Amino acid sequence: DTEVTQTPKHLVMGMTNKKSLKCEQHMGHRAMYWYKQKAKKPPELMFVYSYEKLSINESVPSRFSPECPNSSLLNLHLHALQPEDSALYLCASSQVRVTGNTIYFGEGSWLTVV
Amino acid sequence: QKEVEQNSGPLSVPEGAIASLNCTYSDRGSQSFFWYRQYSGKSPELIMSIYSNGDKEDGRFTAQLNKASQYVSLLIRDSQPSDSATYLCAVTGGSQGNLIFGKGTKLSVKP
Repeated sequence: DTEVTQTPKHLVMGMTNKKSLKCEQHMGHRAMYWYKQKAKKPPELMFVYSYEKLSINESVPSRFSPECPNSSLLNLHLHALQPEDSALYLCASSQVRVTGNTIYFGEGSWLTVV
Repeated sequence: QKEVEQNSGPLSVPEGAIASLNCTYSDRGSQSFFWYRQYSGKSPELIMSIYSNGDKEDGRFTAQLNKASQYVSLLIRDSQPSDSATYLCAVTGGSQGNLIFGKGTKLSVKP
């Protein structure tokens, strides 16, 4: 069982809706990640938080807004999404190291934009 | 541009055979290497990590790393139908240690 918990597991939203994806980990990890995965593609990095500060934003559109309220929680706020944003959104966490930095994934949130 | 290359497959092996999955990477400075298994509709699950040259064994799985050739492989012995999945090779890149994924190899184990 993964120790990274994501909610909700499934989300259907309209293009004018505002919703949030939530992620929680209790492994004491200080790096947290959001990845997006489309069908038959590998995960693509969106954001990285290190010690609760945003350290990487991979040129993600502003309709995706990440938030890290504390070291255990990571949110992804969604607003005015497009149908092509429908995908599996993966949260992950790891320690902060140069080597041996194992990244553990949650079960993902399936997002459908209608 | 840092890249991780995998043969997309599908790779088909009979039950009980050895499945061999291969991966090459472009960044010679990469430090950590991982294999994730992903079943259809599920999230990636870590099955092996390797950090130094040579072999690392865990049950039916053996990861092999050759930094000089920038090559990492995964061997699955006594393959089972339950091993049928997409296997993602991933390499840490960048100062943050975030993963760079290959496109994945789809493995099919036939009973």
